[in-house]
Amino acid sequence: EPEVTQTPSHQVTQMGQEVILRCVPISNHLYFYWYRQILGQKVEFLVSFYNNEISEKSEIFDDQFSVERPDGSNFTLKIRSTKLEDSAMYFCASSEVGTSMDEQFFGPGTRLTVL
Amino acid sequence: RKEVEQDPGPFNVPEGATVAFNCTYSNSASQSFFWYRQDCRKEPKLLMSVYSSGNEDGRFTAQLNRASQYISLLIRDSKLSDSATYLCVVSNTDKLIFGTGTRLQVFP
Repeated sequence: EPEVTQTPSHQVTQMGQEVILRCVPISNHLYFYWYRQILGQKVEFLVSFYNNEISEKSEIFDDQFSVERPDGSNFTLKIRSTKLEDSAMYFCASSEVGTSMDEQFFGPGTRLTVL
Repeated sequence: RKEVEQDPGPFNVPEGATVAFNCTYSNSASQSFFWYRQDCRKEPKLLMSVYSSGNEDGRFTAQLNRASQYISLLIRDSKLSDSATYLCVVSNTDKLIFGTGTRLQVFP
């Protein structure tokens, strides 16, 4: 069964460093998403992406964040200068069609620890 | 008011019990409703979509009341493997809005 994959599974970084989290969405999906979950808290939407453009972003997704689809398979989230409060699990998701009823399939997540 | 509110639990129930979770949402424009399941330190996985007419999938039954902005999930004949956090999720665009989840622990 096709699945969303993410690398690395765990990333440890120093405050102020740049990190890039990588995702490979399901191959025939056209809509891509990033969510985050701070330990013990709810899953929060960060950004949605379609046709090489951001469709929607949340207040969390400020100038320190960017997304890119550098080739036909990868979808990346970059945090330019990490802060302690960026420590969280970051989930990538993809869907075939970007309607509210369409199922979003989640990757296993990247645990980001900022020291 | 939180966009999606759930009782965090935990709900501790014996195997074979019936357990019900409730959820309320604040945005009356919400169009789609789901229950996701999340195991500890894992990704959310879709359990079922929720329709106004109510829907059932095996031991799981979901109900939606748009007038009250209320969603429910009923689990019958609980199994040990049902132990997880159940996330109430709403959407009116392509972004999902999650509740904090209700933790279920099924014991032998």
